Amino acid sequence: TQLLEQSPQFLSIQEGENLTVYCNSSSVFSSLQWYRQEPGEGPVLLVTVVTGGEVKKLKRLTFQFGDARKDSSLHITAAQPGDTGLYLCAGRSGNTGKLIFGQGTTLQVKP
Amino acid sequence: DAGVIQSPRHEVTEMGQEVTLRCKPISGHDYLFWYRQTMMRGLELLIYFNNNVPIDDSGMPEDRFSAKMPNASFSTLKIQPSEPRDSAVYFCASSLRGGTIYFGEGSWLTVV
Repeated sequence: TQLLEQSPQFLSIQEGENLTVYCNSSSVFSSLQWYRQEPGEGPVLLVTVVTGGEVKKLKRLTFQFGDARKDSSLHITAAQPGDTGLYLCAGRSGNTGKLIFGQGTTLQVKP
Repeated sequence: DAGVIQSPRHEVTEMGQEVTLRCKPISGHDYLFWYRQTMMRGLELLIYFNNNVPIDDSGMPEDRFSAKMPNASFSTLKIQPSEPRDSAVYFCASSLRGGTIYFGEGSWLTVV
């Protein structure tokens, strides 16, 4: 069974602080995705990383895929209250449609 | 463009009753997924279809759960009989092969 472990599960920080969320697995994934989910809504895709070692930036968010394609990280610089939400990593194996999600990291950014 | 449309948004039902959740995927998408989200277990894949054919139903908890996709624009997830432990948010999602998976807004189910 493929599992994705996310850490930390909960994070409460002050506006302006930096943070990193980790997503780890013992399995290799063909791609890894990060989603953000707000209360009462479905997850929305932020980014997909495909190549080992790949780094992608989305404004203040930096996503990295591990060299072995088993782990990933999400770094947020100068967090803002609008970043509050549930962040989910999800891994896809091969060409299957199957996407396995981590447990999620609940982020609260206080003004 | 309309996204993935789910109904009902909220349902409260009594234990033992049949529950039917409905989903209309994004037009043209050939993959459809049913997920369940709870605080304890997070987001779990229940079943997914490709071109209306069920590909992997290993996540379906037990025989009380069934899913169908009679055509490319409609899918149902049924729970019969429902139990309190089935209370969760059920998400339908769709995608093209290898493409971005788009989620609906979810169906919030409470079984009392």
